[in-house]
Amino acid sequence: QSVLTQPPSVSGAPGQRVTISCTGSRSNFGAGYDVHWYKQVPGEAPKLLIFDNSDRPSGVPDRFSGSKSGTSASLAITGLQAEDEADYYCQSYDNLSDSWVFGGGTRLTVL
Amino acid sequence: EVQLVESGGGLVQPGGSLRLSCAASGFIFSSYSMHWVRQAPGKGLEWISYISSARTTIYYADSVKGRFTISRDNTKNSLSLQMDSLRADDTAVYYCARRPIPSTTSARWFFDLWGRGTLVTVSP
Repeated sequence: QSVLTQPPSVSGAPGQRVTISCTGSRSNFGAGYDVHWYKQVPGEAPKLLIFDNSDRPSGVPDRFSGSKSGTSASLAITGLQAEDEADYYCQSYDNLSDSWVFGGGTRLTVL
Repeated sequence: EVQLVESGGGLVQPGGSLRLSCAASGFIFSSYSMHWVRQAPGKGLEWISYISSARTTIYYADSVKGRFTISRDNTKNSLSLQMDSLRADDTAVYYCARRPIPSTTSARWFFDLWGRGTLVTVSP
């Protein structure tokens, strides 16, 4: 049971827009801690995708965007491409467990 | 090239010990706090330990507290994880990951650079 809750899977056709939700609580998002997102292609290391709720590291396309409101956050991907097929994880800090926490991950399938 | 390279994984029996290492290159290692994060086969990511740049602050997840010890040698650009009393549920790929330097507007509690990981298998 992850502290942050994500849907196990989402899918979309090439060119479409998909969103991945991440639900937290008062001890993480509600306490003001930011959300960060990672992309992980199976067999590879995670890669930072979005940090501090909505900022993108250099090299990440602007097709990827993030937001946070209250105890929820979301990642949006527009113009879906085959290369977007991967697992996506949200992450934050939790002051109840005094630990860095991840969502359970969402598998994105590009149809 | 900026990179982290883990080593030291392998097969170990329950109750045994293993020491993982993470070699950093391409950046000023002594300026960065570091983490260990693991991923059990087919499962999600789990943070397990943090050490600040000067080793003054160390944290552990409850799942490894009292069994694992994080350390670093800034003269050798190296991060380590001593794992004792290993259990089957410690089986995972172990990643070292870097915390970016905090800014005036952000604590930067995320992981901006990851190694490729090293697999630890705990089995009889």
